[in-house]
Amino acid sequence: EAGVTQFPSHSVIEKGQTVTLRCDPISGHDNLYWYRRVMGKEIKFLLHFVKESKQDESGMPNNRFLAERTGGTYSTLKVQPAELEDSGVYFCASSQVGPTEYYYGYTFGSGTRLTVV
Amino acid sequence: AQSVTQLGSHVSVSEGALVLLRCNYSSSVPPYLFWYVQYPNQGLQLLLKYTTGATLVKGINGFEAEFKKSETSFHLTKPSAHMSDAAEYFCAVTTRRSALIFGKGTTLSVSS
Repeated sequence: EAGVTQFPSHSVIEKGQTVTLRCDPISGHDNLYWYRRVMGKEIKFLLHFVKESKQDESGMPNNRFLAERTGGTYSTLKVQPAELEDSGVYFCASSQVGPTEYYYGYTFGSGTRLTVV
Repeated sequence: AQSVTQLGSHVSVSEGALVLLRCNYSSSVPPYLFWYVQYPNQGLQLLLKYTTGATLVKGINGFEAEFKKSETSFHLTKPSAHMSDAAEYFCAVTTRRSALIFGKGTTLSVSS
């Protein structure tokens, strides 16, 4: 089966520009998560979709970040306008819904490395 | 709330030596614990996980970890390091219905 696909793999943009990251989860995985790792720090949760609904967006840093999941399939994460501190690696993960959150485990994508200059 | 502390941001071992990566967690409810590995230019790959049951958990590539509730630890070990084990390793904790909380990661270097 295909894994979790993220693109682009790298993006370099100028401060103030807009960037959209995309994640294609494994087919049939209703859970979709976004995480971010800022250089030198831990990987932090951003938000969680169940199908097209936002289950938990407590980790979103501010209103410059907008996540969507069209029709419960792929998801996009838009940063507008981008700031220097948004640089980092953005990971997406997906999982099947099970009796507990991690019953079936997560599958992570390779991440998008975002550099804001 | 949960948290994870990985002791040592860098660990260096010789090929064939024991690998020990330390992880301590904090959780007010019974935790689920995970170790993930990230090889260069790849995504996070699950090494092993503890949810319930046996406290010694075996994972892929010869790694294992032991859940010690009294010590709030979940250290990762491998008896004999290979060059291919060089990567960054992440410990993570969660509970039944919450997001994964990761540690800062430990980079493992293996020398010949």
